Amino acid sequence: DVKVTQSSRYLVKRTGEKVFLECVQDMDHENMFWYRQDPGLGLRLIYFSYDVKMKEKGDIPEGYSVSREKKERFSLILESASTNQTSMYLCASLRIAGEWYFGPGTRLTVT
Amino acid sequence: AQSVTQLGSHVSVSEGALVLLRCNYSSSVPPYLFWYVQYPNQGLQLLLKYTTGATLVKGINGFEAEFKKSETSFHLTKPSAHMSDAAEYFCAVSDAGFQKLVFGTGTRLLVSP
Repeated sequence: DVKVTQSSRYLVKRTGEKVFLECVQDMDHENMFWYRQDPGLGLRLIYFSYDVKMKEKGDIPEGYSVSREKKERFSLILESASTNQTSMYLCASLRIAGEWYFGPGTRLTVT
Repeated sequence: AQSVTQLGSHVSVSEGALVLLRCNYSSSVPPYLFWYVQYPNQGLQLLLKYTTGATLVKGINGFEAEFKKSETSFHLTKPSAHMSDAAEYFCAVSDAGFQKLVFGTGTRLLVSP
């Protein structure tokens, strides 16, 4: 079974803090993605990566950066957290056959 | 650019009634279409997908969807709703390159006894 794990289910941070959200997949998938989910807006793509050290901006990259130093790990970084980044963050990896596998999500609250 | 429109942020049905969740897409290339379900406090689970071939796709838990190119639609149906179907449902579109998965805004299904 493919597993996509995220480092925390719930996270509370203060405004201005640097925040790291970690995602790990165990099936050697090339492509990994970070989405944020907000009520009424669905899931929106923040960043994705199709190889180690490669990254592409998604639809809402402002205020975020990413890191992919190893194939199995894709990190989302909030350089200076703001209250409008309070959201559910979902990581996903893609198998070549067109199946995305999603992690359980991290609910981030910025106060 | 690809996009998905889900009509109705909330749909209410009685247990045993037909479930119909609507999804229309926009794509300049042949689309790959997906339905995901999210139960409370859980991640996304794939219900079904259309890539190529048969346009009527059967998924898990008795759900099915039909790809209609002429209507640019991929509506999700289930003949008889169960209480356990109460969840949020997301339609999504991608292309053959699978570079991105673009989601609709979601439809929350409410099932009453």
